[in-house]
Amino acid sequence: QSVLTQPPSVSGAPGQRVTISCTGSSSNIGAGYDVHWYQQLPGTAPKLLIYGNSNRPSGVPDRLSGSRSATSASLAITGLQAEDEADYYCQSYDSSLSGFVVFGGGTKVTVL
Amino acid sequence: QVQLVQSGAEVKKPGASVKVSCKASGYTFTTYPIHWVRQAPGQRLQWMGWINTGNGNTQYSQNFQGRVTITRDTFATTAYMELSRLISEDTATYYCARDATTGINWFESWGQGTLVTVSS
Repeated sequence: QSVLTQPPSVSGAPGQRVTISCTGSSSNIGAGYDVHWYQQLPGTAPKLLIYGNSNRPSGVPDRLSGSRSATSASLAITGLQAEDEADYYCQSYDSSLSGFVVFGGGTKVTVL
Repeated sequence: QVQLVQSGAEVKKPGASVKVSCKASGYTFTTYPIHWVRQAPGQRLQWMGWINTGNGNTQYSQNFQGRVTITRDTFATTAYMELSRLISEDTATYYCARDATTGINWFESWGQGTLVTVSS
């Protein structure tokens, strides 16, 4: 069971907007720790998409955006494209015994 | 550019140990921590631990305490992850990742992954 909870899957048609939630607790997101997001294409290593809740590394399109509030965070993808079909993971820091770095369970985005 | 190149796939028997390497290049090795993350087939990412590549200090996830050892060789700019007393559930792809800062933050660069298969 993951410390950070994500929906197993979301889907949308090309051009639509989808959001992925990441729900934590008072020992991680609720404690004010930042949330980061990664994209993982099949058979490849994760790639950083969003850091510090809402910042995009260079090269990541502005169709992707992140936000955080209270004990949760969200990743939004607008103008959905076929290339967005992948697994997405949120990550944060946890101050409990869970072990410092925690990941969400991952969300599979399917482009219909 | 930053590159992390990991050692090749391994097949191990239950009870054995495995040591995976992560060769870093393109930056000052001792400035940024290296983390190890694993992913069982079809499963989520799971953090194992990290090493301060400057002073060699380590911290491990409670889930692997006592079985995992992370080390580094500053001259070879290489980090290592050794997992002992392997069981079939340790079959997974193991990734090294470089932290973006000097503490625990986000993972800016990742190795290509090393598949470890545990089978009798």
